[in-house]
Amino acid sequence: QKEVEQDPGPLSVPEGAIVSLNCTYSNSAFQYFMWYRQYSRKGPELLMYTYSSGNKEDGRFTAQVDKSSKYISLFIRDSQPSDSATYLCAPMEPGGFKTIFGAGTRLFVKA
Amino acid sequence: DAGVIQSPRHEVTEMGQEVTLRCKPISGHNSLFWYRQTMMRGLELLIYFNNNVPIDDSGMPEDRFSAKMPNASFSTLKIQPSEPRDSAVYFCASSGGYGNTIYFGEGSWLTVV
Repeated sequence: QKEVEQDPGPLSVPEGAIVSLNCTYSNSAFQYFMWYRQYSRKGPELLMYTYSSGNKEDGRFTAQVDKSSKYISLFIRDSQPSDSATYLCAPMEPGGFKTIFGAGTRLFVKA
Repeated sequence: DAGVIQSPRHEVTEMGQEVTLRCKPISGHNSLFWYRQTMMRGLELLIYFNNNVPIDDSGMPEDRFSAKMPNASFSTLKIQPSEPRDSAVYFCASSGGYGNTIYFGEGSWLTVV
């Protein structure tokens, strides 16, 4: 079993839709949970992160962690064509140095 | 801030040749990571350094791969001899240490024919 499972998609939605991206993980010791966004032919960049369980909102983006079920979610409201990218969930191992990346979900937002 | 700088951006080489990828981390960052990304396996951590010391190289696929960090501003990833299955995008990334954001370079696109 992989430490982080993520559906690779692709996921195609119309502009303005609410998008839900999800991951599951196996290591209950994970404390920091990041979401990275990767545009085509670019390196991943940090979108947002949460610590432990709960929600965090940043503009149109909301990250949610449920540690009891080991489930990570990223919601995008009012999706835009510029949101078209690959989204990678990335929990951090205890110790704070090693980040484990999911396979990434490719998202296409159609104008 | 110039960000993480990688070179070369693109390399095409013949099987059996030595490949050297280079990385300059963000100034002041003390952790450096080498990742490999393929469609089949996603983003895999190969090795990471903290304060120029290799901490975990369990992701290095085999002895053909080696990485060094001779000082805080430079690292190399070497593949010798290269094989077609090594074709991938190799990312270097750096961070300020414990719990800090990882910043990625633009990647080195390697094709081994």
